[in-house]
Amino acid sequence: EDKVVQSPLSLVVHEGDTVTLNCSYEVTNFRSLLWYKQEKKAPTFLFMLTSSGIEKKSGRLSSILDKKELFSILNITATQTGDSAVYLCASGTYKYIFGTGTRLKVLA
Amino acid sequence: GVTQSPTHLIKTRGQQVTLRCSSQSGHNTVSWYQQALGQGPQFIFQYYREEENGRGNFPPRFSGLQFPNDSSELNVNALELDDSALYLCASLRESGELFFGEGSRLTVL
Repeated sequence: EDKVVQSPLSLVVHEGDTVTLNCSYEVTNFRSLLWYKQEKKAPTFLFMLTSSGIEKKSGRLSSILDKKELFSILNITATQTGDSAVYLCASGTYKYIFGTGTRLKVLA
Repeated sequence: GVTQSPTHLIKTRGQQVTLRCSSQSGHNTVSWYQQALGQGPQFIFQYYREEENGRGNFPPRFSGLQFPNDSSELNVNALELDDSALYLCASLRESGELFFGEGSRLTVL
């Protein structure tokens, strides 16, 4: 059965800390791994990682994909209170399997 | 972008509901996901050029349509309490990127 597992389930840090969020996946047909940030409503797209694009960076956020070990990490450096959200990862082809997310709380 | 309506609605058990989604014309593939509280989104089905071309583990009372202008509908019949969730419409790009609309929050009483 296809599955995506995220860890930790929740995390509380202080502003300025660096956090690492984990995502492991087992899917029958892998095309890409997606990361999202979800605050009050719908998930907002962050990154897509594929076999041909295993590292992405945008500002304080970065992500890598390890296709051999079937996992990905999302790093956030110099965290801010605005980073507080649930972070979701998903894997698959057109039919994406999502993890349950990591709830990050950044304290001022 | 992807636009969904309504944003919130309340129904009672046994009723039927229709949720709507519109995306930029030319973004032919539309996916629908259900997100229950505290869970990740779960794939319901996908439409490409007005045909369903993929379905998740949802019963037949979940059905959909896609129109020539790429707008889409999700219909749920015989609503159950467990159908209470955030319903997300998404535009799937050829690259594989998936962009969600703001969602429709359905409460079934």
